[in-house]
Amino acid sequence: DAKTTQPPSMDCAEGRAANLPCNHSTISGNEYVYWYRQIHSQGPQYIIHGLKNNETNEMASLIITEDRKSSTLILPHATLRDTAVYYCIVTGSNYKLTFGKGTLLTVNP
Amino acid sequence: DAGVIQSPRHEVTEMGQEVTLRCKPISGHDYLFWYRQTMMRGLELLIYFNNNVPIDDSGMPEDRFSAKMPNASFSTLKIQPSEPRDSAVYFCASSFSGTNTQYFGPGTRLTVL
Repeated sequence: DAKTTQPPSMDCAEGRAANLPCNHSTISGNEYVYWYRQIHSQGPQYIIHGLKNNETNEMASLIITEDRKSSTLILPHATLRDTAVYYCIVTGSNYKLTFGKGTLLTVNP
Repeated sequence: DAGVIQSPRHEVTEMGQEVTLRCKPISGHDYLFWYRQTMMRGLELLIYFNNNVPIDDSGMPEDRFSAKMPNASFSTLKIQPSEPRDSAVYFCASSFSGTNTQYFGPGTRLTVL
C-alpha cells in the first residue's frame, strides 16, 4: 500500500470548515483513499473513501486531485465533537488497513 | 445492530497470567481484525480472519499471542503468559467482503502489572 503524509496537528474554529490534507504521491491506479477518525478513548470510525472522483456523505467531503497524488478531507461545519485524530489510508484490495500517525484536529470554541 | 462488541472493556492482570480478550463481530460480516494500540507504536494490525480462517498473522508479536475464530460470531485473542509490555488497548473490527470499511469495537484496555 502507498505511504501517506499528513500534518501532525491542525486547529479549526467551531462552525468553520476543517480542511485536512493528505499526500500520497506513490498511489497506484487500483488503490483507494480511505479516511478514518479516532475520538479519544474510542475505536476508529470510518468517514469516507474514494478512488478518483470527489465524494460526499453526511459526515464529510473528499476531494482527490486529478493526478491522485493528494487529497483533502473537508468537514464543512466543524463542531467540538469533531476533535479527533484523522487518519488518511491508501489501500488496495487486500483488506488490510495500515494506520499512520494521522492528524490531530482540535476544534476550538 | 449493536455494532462490534468487545469484552472485557478493562482488564488488569499480573505478569505471567493468561489473558483472553473476546470479540463479537457485526452479523453478516465475514472479515474480522484484531489491532493493538500503544502510544509508542500506534495502531497495529495483529491478525485478520476471513470466513473464520486466519489469513494473515504476520503482525502477531510472538508465540505468546494466539487468536481463534471458532464461528462467525465469536473470536478470541489470548496472551499466555502476559508481560507488562503487552499493556495496550486492543481493538477488534469487522467488515464485509469487498470493502475496506471496517467497523471497530470500543476496545479492551489491558494493563499487565
